[in-house]
Amino acid sequence: AQTVTQSQPEMSVQEAETVTLSCTYDTSESDYYLFWYKQPPSRQMILVIRQEAYKQQNATENRFSVNFQKAAKSFSLKISDSQLGDAAMYFCALIMQEAQKLVFGQGTRLTINP
Amino acid sequence: NAGVTQTPKFRILKIGQSMTLQCAQDMNHNYMYWYRQDPGMGLKLIYYSVGAGITDKGEVPNGYNVSRSTTEDFPLRLELAAPSQTSVYFCASSISRQPQHFGDGTRLSIL
Repeated sequence: AQTVTQSQPEMSVQEAETVTLSCTYDTSESDYYLFWYKQPPSRQMILVIRQEAYKQQNATENRFSVNFQKAAKSFSLKISDSQLGDAAMYFCALIMQEAQKLVFGQGTRLTINP
Repeated sequence: NAGVTQTPKFRILKIGQSMTLQCAQDMNHNYMYWYRQDPGMGLKLIYYSVGAGITDKGEVPNGYNVSRSTTEDFPLRLELAAPSQTSVYFCASSISRQPQHFGDGTRLSIL
């Protein structure tokens, strides 16, 4: 069975600094996708970044980047130049080939200190 | 282009009542999903559908039913509401190998 683990229930960072959120996963599939979703207090689920497992290059999206270590099954999210609007719950998710189902981690609550 | 639309946004039910949570998408996505999110937790899959007329159970299907008569709509039915079903419910849709698009959620309280 696929599992996703986020070991940091809460993280905080000073505005303008860099923070890294951790995620590890387990799957027997060789071809899969990984995502980071952001959930602000408004409750919306917003896609932050995606990574295809077959790509060695780490995905980047403006201030957001990932460190994808396929052999270690690790998928961390780095947020540079943190902004107050980055405060939210962040969920790591793995997509299964079967029906494209998502498996979510437990989430990390990120607080940005002004 | 509305994306994924969920109704209602909030609802309070009494124990034993039934209701249907509506979900509609206008992106012609074949995959649709229902998740529940309990406080401080990640999302857990209730039911999913890979196309009209096809549905299957997810991780936590007990107490729920779904149908998929059209590509656009994927309603979730609670037959006998129980306090354990108090949660936020999210509907999502996607096409193959693409990120899922989520609705804004329905906050449901069972009292």
